[in-house]
Amino acid sequence: GAGVSQSPSNKVTEKGKDVELRCDPISGHTALYWYRQSLGQGLEFLIYFQGNSAPDKSGLPSDRFSAERTGGSVSTLTIQRTQQEDSAVYLCAVGYTFGSGTRLTVV
Amino acid sequence: AQKITQTQPGMFVQEKEAVTLDCTYDTSDPSYGLFWYKQPSSGEMIFLIYQGSYDQQNATEGRYSLNFQKARKSANLVISASQLGDSAMYFCAMREGGWATASKLTFGTGTRLQVTL
Repeated sequence: GAGVSQSPSNKVTEKGKDVELRCDPISGHTALYWYRQSLGQGLEFLIYFQGNSAPDKSGLPSDRFSAERTGGSVSTLTIQRTQQEDSAVYLCAVGYTFGSGTRLTVV
Repeated sequence: AQKITQTQPGMFVQEKEAVTLDCTYDTSDPSYGLFWYKQPSSGEMIFLIYQGSYDQQNATEGRYSLNFQKARKSANLVISASQLGDSAMYFCAMREGGWATASKLTFGTGTRLQVTL
């Protein structure tokens, strides 16, 4: 969506590899969210940033998932040692405006 | 208990007809907001309409209106004069707490709408 850029748009990775997903919002939005949408499902919350800090990480499914945000702007979601169940679309939102997502496929 | 329930996995509507997509919610927070998003096959999440818990009037945005029945905890989306381009997944979502809390959204499982000629 306008104002939130996500890259890459598609990512295919081998099981066991690490991946980094990027969210680049327009400036001025302090609240940033990551969500995950598995095939045919609704969105599930992963993590919330207020500025550079993450007061709510309750949705991260395991310690293989981590995220950071720098300069109150760009955020990266890192998945280590990817598993096939990590295959999903990862969506970033600033406020309630969503990016176009990254479709991750783990083979 | 599910916080957002969408009981219609799929719906069909003829072009130019109106259609209602159901959404019920569950919260004990007096301050909350309800959203509807459209997700076409391209995958993007397109914001359609928002209703705040203290809003007196039902929200409307063009062909979209939200039938908000607070006592029944329902927030149904009404699309008037359906168009072929309305074919998509539709998600209902809820934010709990006031705007100052910048809270996450909880989503329903979605309704797939198919508009036919």
